[in-house]
Amino acid sequence: DQQVKQNSPSLSVQEGRISILNCDYTNSMFDYFLWYKKYPAEGPTFLISISSIKDKNEDGRFTVFLNKSAKHLSLHIVPSQPGDSAVYFCAADPNNNDMRFGAGTRLTVKP
Amino acid sequence: NAGVMQNPRHLVRRRGQEARLRCSPMKGHSHVYWYRQLPEEGLKFMVYLQKENIIDESGMPKERFSAEFPKEGPSILRIQQVVRGDSAAYFCASSPFRSRDRGEKLFFGSGTQLSVL
Repeated sequence: DQQVKQNSPSLSVQEGRISILNCDYTNSMFDYFLWYKKYPAEGPTFLISISSIKDKNEDGRFTVFLNKSAKHLSLHIVPSQPGDSAVYFCAADPNNNDMRFGAGTRLTVKP
Repeated sequence: NAGVMQNPRHLVRRRGQEARLRCSPMKGHSHVYWYRQLPEEGLKFMVYLQKENIIDESGMPKERFSAEFPKEGPSILRIQQVVRGDSAAYFCASSPFRSRDRGEKLFFGSGTQLSVL
């Protein structure tokens, strides 16, 4: 029951350009969303979050957009840097212990 | 994610053996979560523990899996009589408190890669 889906397993962009990572969810009860970043051989680290009362949250080069009617969120990274190369997980928090994660998108930023 | 220590990093077991995965949370954290990541899938919640208590084990398989977080020492995820399907990366995360913002306050360890031969 994959309630959080990241349909693109990988994405490659040029340094300096925008990276857009997408995430779809099916459960309308989700009201809080997070993005995590994971480097090889490390655990995920929190990147940015958004509550369903907002449609946008920005933190430096990272912006998360939420479209509740479409049950879709996206993470924009601009400008992209080689150090951003990692796996990005989208997660939805239904306000219990069972936070749901997507399968991840591997971002490669080429110099 | 500095501070949450998991060991071993890699664990190889033959079918039928037992696997013990350890997690030491960050200093001052009394909430521990275990997640499993199967190949090509996202992290899946298994169990949430506080010191000496299992709070939520709704994501844990009913058989062969158990978890504990004793008063002293690390949290342990134990898998008895492992099968090939148990091969996965197991991540532990700790949090200083149970709150609505816990996703942001969740700190992950580097994981244990379990391989069952």
